[in-house]
Amino acid sequence: SSELTQDPAVSVALGQTVRITCQGDSLRSYYASWFQQKPGQAPILVISAENNRPSGIPDRFSGSSSGNTASLIITGAQAEDEADYYCNSRDSSGNHLLFGGGTQLTVL
Amino acid sequence: QEQLVESGGGVVQPGTSLRLSCAASGFTFSRYGMHWVRQAPGKGLEWVAVIWFDGSNQYSVESVKGRFTISRDNSKNTLYLEMTSLRAEDTAIYYCASESIPKFRGSGTPVYWGQGTLVAVSS
Repeated sequence: SSELTQDPAVSVALGQTVRITCQGDSLRSYYASWFQQKPGQAPILVISAENNRPSGIPDRFSGSSSGNTASLIITGAQAEDEADYYCNSRDSSGNHLLFGGGTQLTVL
Repeated sequence: QEQLVESGGGVVQPGTSLRLSCAASGFTFSRYGMHWVRQAPGKGLEWVAVIWFDGSNQYSVESVKGRFTISRDNSKNTLYLEMTSLRAEDTAIYYCASESIPKFRGSGTPVYWGQGTLVAVSS
């Protein structure tokens, strides 16, 4: 299929660990990237393909993948992590990109 | 420091055309693939199109095929999106984004993003 599926909303207590997941058939062939978007701002990359963290992104952000599921893990969530998170990968053709529907993260 | 600045958005009527531009600076534009990604009001991100670093290949989402054309002028460090037959459902903020792997032959991750330009299609 040509879709990436995310839970619409997830919450986490301050300082706890949260996992945001992304499912799709194409993830069996291609890595996912993850973007953070805060209201009124452009998305920023927090985890690149192959689960690398761009410079400037806190090391509490990490990525993992298994089968058709990719995960963004925030270890010790902070108030400033409250945002929408989108996964991104290629479709089965490898030529088109896909975004998941996004997950709204609330830090309690 | 990579910088991308979109322009050309506005309010247009259904069925009309619009050309968006994205001016790049702070990196060697001609070495990187470029994308357009849009976001309808209150909705998620939707990938629109990609063009390879040398302009040799372009791909787009099915919903804009035949209506939108992505192009680039490497001599002007500028990316374009020519949009025709605009529909209400094309209303969105349009972001341009660049990849980070030089001369990558494929659709890579859009790493660096501009702040976007708003296109509103309404009668």
